[in-house]
Amino acid sequence: AQTVTQSQPEMSVQEAETVTLSCTYDTSESDYYLFWYKQPPSRQMILVIRQEAYKQQNATENRFSVNFQKAAKSFSLKISDSQLGDAAMYFCVYVNYGGATNKLIFGTGTLLAVQP
Amino acid sequence: DGGITQSPKYLFRKEGQNVTLSCEQNLNHDAMYWYRQDPGQGLRLIYYSQIVNDFQKGDIAEGYSVSREKKESFPLTVTSAQKNPTAFYLCASSIWGRNNEQFFGPGTRLTVL
Repeated sequence: AQTVTQSQPEMSVQEAETVTLSCTYDTSESDYYLFWYKQPPSRQMILVIRQEAYKQQNATENRFSVNFQKAAKSFSLKISDSQLGDAAMYFCVYVNYGGATNKLIFGTGTLLAVQP
Repeated sequence: DGGITQSPKYLFRKEGQNVTLSCEQNLNHDAMYWYRQDPGQGLRLIYYSQIVNDFQKGDIAEGYSVSREKKESFPLTVTSAQKNPTAFYLCASSIWGRNNEQFFGPGTRLTVL
């Protein structure tokens, strides 16, 4: 069974600084996607960034970028120039589109605090 | 505006009662999903539906039931058989297939009194 592990329950960063959130996953599949979702205090789940496993190039979305290490099964999120609005719970998510459900498998989340 | 709506935002239930959570989408998505979120955990899949009049159990379907009579609607019933129903429930929808983002509703907080 696929699993996603986030080993940092909480992180803190100063405004305008850079922070990296860690994620590892376990799968025997070769065709999958990885995502980072953000859940602010409103509890609305928002997609931050996605990575396709067959693409070697790391995904980037403005201030958000990932470090995807397929062999190590590692998928970290880097937030540059952190802003107060980045404060949220961040979930690392795996999905295997070759499966029957398109089920998202979530990690337990990392709560990010941004200090002014 | 296109999106997903869930109602109510907060719901209280007495033990032994069934309760139905609403989920509606106007994104013309084929697939819809129900997830449960508990404190300190990520989301877990309860049920999903790829098309109208068809749905499948997820990882934690016991004590829950769903229906999919219309493409836009995917209500979730929490039955009295669900032993620990207090949780945050999120509905999502997507185009079925590869690389199709799941869009989430704002959620319903269910509390059993």
